[in-house]
Amino acid sequence: AQKITQTQPGMFVQEKEAVTLDCTYDTSDPSYGLFWYKQPSSGEMIFLIYQGSYDQQNATEGRYSLNFQKARKSANLVISASQLGDSAMYFCAMSLNAGGTSYGKLTFGQGTILTVHP
Amino acid sequence: DGGITQSPKYLFRKEGQNVTLSCEQNLNHDAMYWYRQDPGQGLRLIYYSQIVNDFQKGDIAEGYSVSREKKESFPLTVTSAQKNPTAFYLCASRTGKNTEAFFGQGTRLTVV
Repeated sequence: AQKITQTQPGMFVQEKEAVTLDCTYDTSDPSYGLFWYKQPSSGEMIFLIYQGSYDQQNATEGRYSLNFQKARKSANLVISASQLGDSAMYFCAMSLNAGGTSYGKLTFGQGTILTVHP
Repeated sequence: DGGITQSPKYLFRKEGQNVTLSCEQNLNHDAMYWYRQDPGQGLRLIYYSQIVNDFQKGDIAEGYSVSREKKESFPLTVTSAQKNPTAFYLCASRTGKNTEAFFGQGTRLTVV
């Protein structure tokens, strides 16, 4: 079984500041992948960043970084130097990599709405 | 250009009718997914398929059906058994493990 939890329904940040969006997950499988997506008001889903469970270093992609704490089962997204265009819904997702029927299932959290103030 | 296409963008259904949402990809991806999103909510998995002629139920499969006769296509039928089908439906595909999913633009279904 796999479960993703995002406990922050909404977050506010001042332009140019950094913000952390929380994500915790639950699985007993040792091999899995964690993803973050952005969904603007248009509804499209934009992939931001990926972290594998065996990756030694935290993933980074431009202004996005993933604070991966395996023992705590958390995969928080950090957005540095926030911009007005970062205002959107953000989703954390998980996929198990082991074999069996769970392979391929991609599960999303409830999302966090981020609002960037000028 | 490679991508994933959903049609139609908007769909209206009368109560008691079945409707089919189209999802086509030319990315040569093995896995395809259907998600439902209600306003202000997260994505809930309806069905997914890892190979042709095979698919698995997700978390909210009741009232929905799918087929995967071709690698490129994964249509979703919303049946009359789905009591509250008004929602935003997203289709996605990916090559497999450790890869991100690519999403279509979505279909907004409204029951009238």
